[in-house]
Amino acid sequence: GQQVMQIPQYQHVQEGEDFTTYCNSSTTLSNIQWYKQRPGGHPVFLIQLVKSGEVKKQKRLTFQFGEAKKNSSLHITATQTTDVGTYFCAGSLGGSSNTGKLIFGQGTTLQVKP
Amino acid sequence: NAGVTQTPKFQVLKTGQSMTLQCAQDMNHEYMSWYRQDPGMGLRLIHYSVGAGITDQGEVPNGYNVSRSTTEDFPLRLLSAAPSQTSVYFCASSLDRGDSPLHFGNGTRLTVT
Repeated sequence: GQQVMQIPQYQHVQEGEDFTTYCNSSTTLSNIQWYKQRPGGHPVFLIQLVKSGEVKKQKRLTFQFGEAKKNSSLHITATQTTDVGTYFCAGSLGGSSNTGKLIFGQGTTLQVKP
Repeated sequence: NAGVTQTPKFQVLKTGQSMTLQCAQDMNHEYMSWYRQDPGMGLRLIHYSVGAGITDQGEVPNGYNVSRSTTEDFPLRLLSAAPSQTSVYFCASSLDRGDSPLHFGNGTRLTVT
């Protein structure tokens, strides 16, 4: 079945350092979405990437979708304590295989030391 | 707008008991889904629905039933609770299947003893 793998599982950084989480799928995706979950909260949508090679930015966050639409990354520049949480990627199959399932990666939990 | 509302927030069950987790959305979303979240496992899809009267299985459907009699409601039923079903359950909805952002409820923390 479709799998979405995300690494690393945990990342501890000093405030001001950069952070990257990577997402890989065993199958081609129609789109990939990224979510952030604060401790004790629920996942909140950040962004969706649809096009091959797409790059989108939200302030210090940069999201990329691979050329083959099988991998994606989220990079945070100069982390702040407000970036603490778990970041999830979620992928959806496209075309005739679109079953409506959105499959999540395992998530990367980011800790930021002030 | 309330968004996605889940009840209850917390629940403790004994092994073998049954219960229903409620989920309602007021955004007229066609797509609704249930996920469970366990440490180190991320969010795993239990069941989903692309519209009223239509449901399908996700990654981990065993032990759970769903129905979608209205666009607004998507209850999740545990038929005979087991300790392995101890988890945090999230209901989510979106405008259409797989291509729109998911809106999550606040979650239900379930413990089965």
